[in-house]
Amino acid sequence: SQQGEEDPQALSIQEGENATMNCSYKTSINNLQWYRQNSGRGLVHLILIRSNEREKHSGRLRVTLDTSKKSSSLLITASRAADTASYFCATVDDFGNEKLTFGTGTRLTIIP
Amino acid sequence: EAQVTQNPRYLITVTGKKLTVTCSQNMNHEYMSWYRQDPGLGLRQIYYSMNVEVTDKGDVPEGYKVSRKEKRNFPLILESPSPNQTSLYFCASSLSPDSKKLFFGSGTQLSVL
Repeated sequence: SQQGEEDPQALSIQEGENATMNCSYKTSINNLQWYRQNSGRGLVHLILIRSNEREKHSGRLRVTLDTSKKSSSLLITASRAADTASYFCATVDDFGNEKLTFGTGTRLTIIP
Repeated sequence: EAQVTQNPRYLITVTGKKLTVTCSQNMNHEYMSWYRQDPGLGLRQIYYSMNVEVTDKGDVPEGYKVSRKEKRNFPLILESPSPNQTSLYFCASSLSPDSKKLFFGSGTQLSVL
């Protein structure tokens, strides 16, 4: 079953612009993670934010988490052509089994 | 280099012919997992293992088997593949079963004819 739902499903922006992707989830979580996947390749972990954190930065990435709205956003600043990829959020639930569940992803295209 | 290695990268087979997809990690990770990725459905967990000799079903375990005899290896076995198992498969591992920060293999594209 899907826990995370990313929005939008696809996004195209000009190089240099900022890209924002959103993730909504349904249940109580331990942490939320964002992954990047280049076409047909394995996913790469980008950033993890715990349920007691509200914002986290890593290089050009900024992640926010709003547990009251059960939502997260990933902001990529000053986008580059190499950022073209699919981005997935994944949640680890808080029910004791620590199950990690992925959303269906946002396909980001950076136009040079 | 720290990595998760899957083999083969591509596999075409016929219905009913048993196959194994191997997965090995060199990071001494306790947690390992298999996912399948299908268009529009995202990644779905097939099986996972919290440690040696401990395996559990994920969301879509039917038609698959796994084993965890050693910490580094976690093979995925399809005893009698069917066309609906045509998919892109990923093995992943994590140092901590708690955080689940996953390291992924490069994937195996399986086609069952």
